[in-house]
Amino acid sequence: SQQGEEDPQALSIQEGENATMNCSYKTSINNLQWYRQNSGRGLVHLILIRSNEREKHSGRLRVTLDTSKKSSSLLITASRAADTASYFCATSEQQAGTALIFGKGTTLSVSS
Amino acid sequence: GAVVSQHPSWVICKSGTSVKIECRSLDFQATTMFWYRQFPKQSLMLMATSNEGSKATYEQGVEKDKFLINHASLTLSTLTVTSAHPEDSSFYICSARDRGKSNTGELFFGEGSRLTVL
Repeated sequence: SQQGEEDPQALSIQEGENATMNCSYKTSINNLQWYRQNSGRGLVHLILIRSNEREKHSGRLRVTLDTSKKSSSLLITASRAADTASYFCATSEQQAGTALIFGKGTTLSVSS
Repeated sequence: GAVVSQHPSWVICKSGTSVKIECRSLDFQATTMFWYRQFPKQSLMLMATSNEGSKATYEQGVEKDKFLINHASLTLSTLTVTSAHPEDSSFYICSARDRGKSNTGELFFGEGSRLTVL
């Protein structure tokens, strides 16, 4: 099963620009996480935001969470060519021990 | 940081054969491991939840007799694709929850195993 949608499905930008990706989900959550995946590789954990948090920063990453709208956004500032990858949001339901359910992902291309 | 190792990273097999993929937590104990499947240009789909010492819980639509999961120890879960067919070709990714951090919700992912069935 999948939680919801990511928007946009694909995003192409120039180096130095900011990239914003959105994620919506359907159920009540314990936390929401963002992952990055380079083509054909495993997942890299970027950031986790808990349901009682509204915003979180990590380096060039900024994540927001709006539980009333069941949505989250990931902002990558001053993008670099190396940021080219697929980005997925994943939610953990309120029940402890449950699996992460992934959104459909956004494919980001950053050209130099 | 917590490391999850998957082996093999890629495998090519003939149709009708069985393939086993291993998922190991290297520096932590994992009472729960999860197996995901990812088709090209798509997201990860949860296949099953593997609990140490008990039967796996499969998601709807996943054939338990085709995808055998064994979680015999706190550091190892295996996925066996039985009688593989070309439509089973996919990227299989495991993840594990640290037994000591079960409340954080964080999962640690392996590098994935790419299966190609000829």
